[in-house]
Amino acid sequence: AQSVTQLGSHVSVSEGALVLLRCNYSSSVPPYLFWYVQYPNQGLQLLLKYTTGATLVKGINGFEAEFKKSETSFHLTKPSAHMSDAAEYFCAVSLNQAGTALIFGKGTTLSVSS
Amino acid sequence: DTGVSQDPRHKITKRGQNVTFRCDPISEHNRLYWYRQTLGQGPEFLTYFQNEAQLEKSRLLSDRFSAERPKGSFSTLEIQRTEQGDSAMYLCASSSLGYEQYFGPGTRLTVT
Repeated sequence: AQSVTQLGSHVSVSEGALVLLRCNYSSSVPPYLFWYVQYPNQGLQLLLKYTTGATLVKGINGFEAEFKKSETSFHLTKPSAHMSDAAEYFCAVSLNQAGTALIFGKGTTLSVSS
Repeated sequence: DTGVSQDPRHKITKRGQNVTFRCDPISEHNRLYWYRQTLGQGPEFLTYFQNEAQLEKSRLLSDRFSAERPKGSFSTLEIQRTEQGDSAMYLCASSSLGYEQYFGPGTRLTVT
């Protein structure tokens, strides 16, 4: 069975500081990994995904994540936080085939202070 | 491409009533998914369609829940005899040949 653990339900940073949101996964087969962002009262927006190939993936809004198989991790980073980054972030895993369900973590709320 | 749309955005109903939600996927996306999200949790998978065929159902989908996608385009999710525990955000997503799923804005259900 697959599962996702997001370490830290709430992360607070200052504007301009590094953002690091942690995600560890469990999967019996090579996984596909995703990060989504959710703003209040809205649906989820895909930030980035890892399927195969390069382990460092870049997404929208300056975010990137690195797939580390040995650590079963897929942490999300952004060098410099912006006030508009304040939102809920979800890490998700799926089987490496199209059409399968996403398994989500519980989410991390990112707060950005000026 | 107008994105995934869901209707209504909010629904308040009394316990025991039936409710129906609609999802319109991105045009030509052949895969459609329903998820449920409760406060403080990530979305949980409910069911999945490929075209009009319902291929997978979660154990979360009790017999009070039914979903259809009659012509392989829009989908409906019906909850019969609603309970307070059904209060949640119901999210719809669609995808095509790729692996990424595109989500709609959700329908927030409140059962009083």
